[in-house]
Amino acid sequence: GESVGLHLPTLSVQEGDNSIINCAYSNSASDYFIWYKQESGKGPQFIIDIRSNMDKRQGQRVTVLLNKTVKHLSLQIAATQPGDSAVYFCAEKGRDDKIIFGKGTRLHILP
Amino acid sequence: EAGVAQSPRYKIIEKRQSVAFWCNPISGHATLYWYQQILGQGPKLLIQFQNNGVVDDSQLPKDRFSAERLKGVDSTLKIQPAKLEDSAVYLCASSLGRLDTEAFFGQGTRLTVV
Repeated sequence: GESVGLHLPTLSVQEGDNSIINCAYSNSASDYFIWYKQESGKGPQFIIDIRSNMDKRQGQRVTVLLNKTVKHLSLQIAATQPGDSAVYFCAEKGRDDKIIFGKGTRLHILP
Repeated sequence: EAGVAQSPRYKIIEKRQSVAFWCNPISGHATLYWYQQILGQGPKLLIQFQNNGVVDDSQLPKDRFSAERLKGVDSTLKIQPAKLEDSAVYLCASSLGRLDTEAFFGQGTRLTVV
């Protein structure tokens, strides 16, 4: 079975607020984690990644946090915009280059 | 840089018919993946190639699904015969093949089996 899962299937956030999407993983041997955004009718699009030897990485308006102790990953989106509406997936990658996806969280932006 | 190209975008077939999907990865990408994404779920890995060799096909239903990447570039995924439960989006992705590199996805082929 899949070793990556998400806590919430749907998240509703007010426009302008910060969004936090969480993910739990079970394979402690995973070396690399990726967050993808998928809009309707499109393939997953890379947002940000983090290696297992890091605990935080920042991008433009996005931050990924990795807690290896509890095998938890989160994606923070600052000042959420209507264009952020999508399904977000966390994925893990091991030394075999295999990328395994979780079930996804739908982010809904409230006006 | 051109992205991952997939065709067709949409396909409707009757059950027990055959169908094939084509993927052209990003130039220079050694690793190619095929995923199946059922509506409301995350992508499920079907098969992974490294150049023209299969790295992992443990989730591929081999009685009906086959895939090849003969020259280490383009790839085709075939279903024969199709079942109703094969209705899904089939995504192709490619990556450089190094640990700390992400995969880039095509737009997918939406298959409907009726």
